[in-house]
Amino acid sequence: DVQLTQSPTFLSASVGDRVTITCRASQGINNYLAWYQQKPGKAPKLLIHAASTLQSGVPSRFSGSGSGTEFTLTISSLQPEDFATYYCQQLNSSPLTFGGGTKVEIE
Amino acid sequence: EVQLVESGGGLVQPGGSLRLSCVVSGLTLSTSWMHWVRQAPGKGLVWVSRITSDGKTVYADSVKGRFTISRDNAKNTLFLQMDSLRDEDTAVYYCARDGSWRLDPWGQGTLVTVSS
Repeated sequence: DVQLTQSPTFLSASVGDRVTITCRASQGINNYLAWYQQKPGKAPKLLIHAASTLQSGVPSRFSGSGSGTEFTLTISSLQPEDFATYYCQQLNSSPLTFGGGTKVEIE
Repeated sequence: EVQLVESGGGLVQPGGSLRLSCVVSGLTLSTSWMHWVRQAPGKGLVWVSRITSDGKTVYADSVKGRFTISRDNAKNTLFLQMDSLRDEDTAVYYCARDGSWRLDPWGQGTLVTVSS
């Protein structure tokens, strides 16, 4: 199974900050990596797919990059509505797996 | 607009069974790949199962032999039959469409509580 390790687990930041979350895969996943945002009590929302493709309707302050086994999600200027938990997911092979999540909180 | 609505969650005793439903609209279920994902209280997302457009299924090891994913194309409904339930199956269960290497959209989730 492909293991995904997200870091950091917890992040405290201020509005306007640039934030970067890393997702490392235990083996190559052909860039079949997606990023999701989840707010309390809500379903996850797709932000990025294929490692760097912005989902339609998602603000351009979100971006994804990386290849091979190391990937990043960047929020260029954190907004109040961005405080949430973020997950990466690999879709290259079954079982599909998620990272452990990164909770972004207000500093 | 594609919408997914889950139902069927509730309280069940260990060893019991439950069948979850996911009614989809705005897409043709028979040509879609669909997934179930769960989230235990306060924990992260865990993938459970997938069914392809041609009916092939795959499961997480933790549910293999106990859960069955299926669909009724005429009713545009996805199912998850859950048998031999355990305490650790307690979670919110989400259905989601596989839109070519991404899960989108997701349903709102249905809570399953396994407890005596």
